[in-house]
Amino acid sequence: GAGVSQTPSNKVTEKGKYVELRCDPISGHTALYWYRQSLGQGPEFLIYFQGTGAADDSGLPNDRFFAVRPEGSVSTLKIQRTERGDSAVYLCASSLGWLTGANVLTFGAGSRLTVL
Amino acid sequence: GQQLNQSPQSMFIQEGEDVSMNCTSSSIFNTWLWYKQDPGEGPVLLIALYKAGELTSNGRLTAQFGITRKDSFLNISASIPSDVGIYFCAGQLTGGGADGLTFGKGTHLIIQP
Repeated sequence: GAGVSQTPSNKVTEKGKYVELRCDPISGHTALYWYRQSLGQGPEFLIYFQGTGAADDSGLPNDRFFAVRPEGSVSTLKIQRTERGDSAVYLCASSLGWLTGANVLTFGAGSRLTVL
Repeated sequence: GQQLNQSPQSMFIQEGEDVSMNCTSSSIFNTWLWYKQDPGEGPVLLIALYKAGELTSNGRLTAQFGITRKDSFLNISASIPSDVGIYFCAGQLTGGGADGLTFGKGTHLIIQP
């Protein structure tokens, strides 16, 4: 697609529920990133995929968070047993990686998650 | 972990004024980037800096990569209403670990008519 697409744009759920957030990166972008942005803060790194594999998941806060990218394109961020502190905007970004000598990330508009 | 200190936290200026904001880090980065984020949108890249000492312009925007590789500034000249938004600096390391970005907390630019 022309840009990074994220769905849903807004998700309201109850504490303890399971949530999936989807990211459709720019066509041809091999690198995909998930970030979390809390109110009044900058985005914080969660996980990075190169192709189908998670190259770095050091930013995932705990084992309730998991992400997949089974075919190297669309990615899903999964949050189990949601807590109120998980409320934030979840941003996805994609890039071509370092092929051109610079790794420029393009961000989607984000999925705003509210846990009641 | 790495921390970026971005200042000022917010700026209230008159249309037409020049703006300056900066970012400092406790450790070095290979790349510095400046993003702008509008409400309900993701960050959009404004300027990328790849070499220490580099000074780059993009229209009314000018940014510099500090010689120590631990800081960067962004200047906006002759501000206009559409400059309103949140500006983030971000540092990036190459090689080893994630190629992701470490962001500052943002500078909220407000333009008074």
